[in-house]
This record gives sequence, C-alpha cells and structure tokens, in this order.
Amino acid sequence: DGGITQSPKYLFRKEGQNVTLSCEQNLNHDAMYWYRQDPGQGLRLIYYSQIVNDFQKGDIAEGYSVSREKKESFPLTVTSAQKNPTAFYLCASSALRNTEAFFGQGTRLTVV
Amino acid sequence: AQSVSQHNHHVILSEAASLELGCNYSYGGTVNLFWYVQYPGQHLQLLLKYFSGDPLVKGIKGFEAEFIKSKFSFNLRKPSVQWSDTAEYFCAVNPLNAGNNRKLIWGLGTSLAVNP
Repeated sequence: DGGITQSPKYLFRKEGQNVTLSCEQNLNHDAMYWYRQDPGQGLRLIYYSQIVNDFQKGDIAEGYSVSREKKESFPLTVTSAQKNPTAFYLCASSALRNTEAFFGQGTRLTVV
Repeated sequence: AQSVSQHNHHVILSEAASLELGCNYSYGGTVNLFWYVQYPGQHLQLLLKYFSGDPLVKGIKGFEAEFIKSKFSFNLRKPSVQWSDTAEYFCAVNPLNAGNNRKLIWGLGTSLAVNP
C-alpha cells in the first residue's frame, strides 16, 4: 500500500528537549514537505526538499532542522530554539512534475 | 507576494443545502489549483484539482470547482451537502514560473459543519 507514514501519532516532550518526527514515503516522490497546522492559521511550510541531500527553508523554519539522506525519508527535528513547538505537524510529498501533494496522518506534538 | 484567500472561515449548513466556498488567489500567471479536505481525525486528502483544460472540474463525493481566470477564483461547490461532509476545506495554489515551482500557497481553511 503506497503512502506516507508519519510516526508517532502523538508525542510528548519536556521543554528544552529536541525531538525528531519521522516521515517515510514509498511513493517514489522526489519532493517532500513539512507543514505546521495551527487552528485558524492553515498550513505553514517549515522546510521542503526537492532532491536527496538538498532542502530549503519554508516560511517558518526557525527552530527546526531537517535532513534528506534518502529519497524515502525526511525527518524533522524540533529544537529547543523553537519558541512555540506544540502543534500538529504534517508531512507531504509530491512527484517531480506534479505538484499534487499527498499527506501523512500527522504528528501531534505537545511540549510541556 | 502570492496569497490565497478563503472568504468563509466557518460555515454551518443543514443537510441538503447547497454549498459554495470561495477561494481567490493573487498571482497573474499560470497556476495549478487544488482543493483539499480534512475530515475529523483524518489526514488531508485531495478533493479536486485544476491544471488546464475545462475550467469546471469535478472531484470526489460530488464536489466540483470552477476556475475563473479573470476573477482569480476557484470556488468549490456541492449542490446538496451531507452530514459526512463536515470537515475542514483548504484551497491551495501553485503559481507556476514564480521561482518556487514546487511550493503550494495555502488558504487558511474553511470549517464546514453540516447539521443532520
């Protein structure tokens, strides 16, 4: 079954700790994206990657980091520098010439 | 900067009522257009898309949208909503040849509640 897998679904962390959210896709898509979804603010782009070993900052990259060592994987690290990390995080991917994005189930991160 | 505006933030309808959700974008060039839906507790999924051709596109579950280039609009419609259409709806635009070909610009979403 092709798709995007985000894990875990729920994540709790103490303030000041870094946390890494997993995103894996088996759709053979070149591009992958991380979004943050907050109530009333829609989807805001954190980082995106169009090819392995390359990624670009989105609109709200501060306090986040990513890597793209494999085509299938695009993990997101929420660092202690992110001032308001509690949110719903969505990973997506799209093919090279088609901007239709496919989404994972999301990870709800709560920092206490 | 490119932007997408969804005029209705919250919509409440009774079953069988007709639905129209507005979406306007600011970009004068060629665009790809999308409507996504997020049902409660589920992931975002594509409702319909427009790349080229017939400006009236039909999607899943009886939804359709019309691209009106002169109005920079891509409004979503459904003649008769059901309780199961309760969800959040997002309009997204990909402005082609704008230097960021792979990035979607998102509206803030419209929350639709359908009363049985």
